[in-house]
Amino acid sequence: AQSVTQPDIHITVSEGASLELRCNYSYGATPYLFWYVQSPGQGLQLLLKYFSGDTLVQGIKGFEAEFKRSQSSFNLRKPSVHWSDAAEYFCAVGPGNQGGKLIFGQGTELSVKP
Amino acid sequence: DADVTQTPRNRITKTGKRIMLECSQTKGHDRMYWYRQDPGLGLRLIYYSFDVKDINKGEISDGYSVSRQAQAKFSLSLESAIPNQTALYFCATSDRTGGRNEQFFGPGTRLTVL
Repeated sequence: AQSVTQPDIHITVSEGASLELRCNYSYGATPYLFWYVQSPGQGLQLLLKYFSGDTLVQGIKGFEAEFKRSQSSFNLRKPSVHWSDAAEYFCAVGPGNQGGKLIFGQGTELSVKP
Repeated sequence: DADVTQTPRNRITKTGKRIMLECSQTKGHDRMYWYRQDPGLGLRLIYYSFDVKDINKGEISDGYSVSRQAQAKFSLSLESAIPNQTALYFCATSDRTGGRNEQFFGPGTRLTVL
């Protein structure tokens, strides 16, 4: 079955600390992978995406993610968190063809302590 | 100006009422989607449309219907609303060009069914 798992429902980090949000997927075909962020009262904004090539991808707002095929993971990282990063983060996977629907994880809510 | 707009942004209604949520896009994309978001469940796909004449059920279509009035417009209807349809609803679009299915989201409609 195709699925995306974000094991951490809620994470709290101190401002300036590093961050890693976990994402594991189960997908039968070559996956396209995405991270979206949802700020309070807002829609979803694309942070970054992986289609192929270099397994370390850079996104907006200083985020990066690393695709590890052997671990079926696509973890999101940021070296130094800012208070404005407090939001909910969603990992999603889609097919590597034109038929695509996305499957979303449950989301991880990030809180940032001053 | 927003590329994907949703109306209304907030709606409170009563059990048994018919409700229509509307989505319009100016991105020129041919694919449109309706999702609902519930706490702890992430986003779940209700319906999707790959062009005006192609409409498909998603994983949770029961109790919902859709209409693709034009390439730019995709409406979601709740024929007889019930309280467990209280949720945040998102419309999204994507472009089949390149087949990568990156999706762009509207700001969401918060629906409360009493």
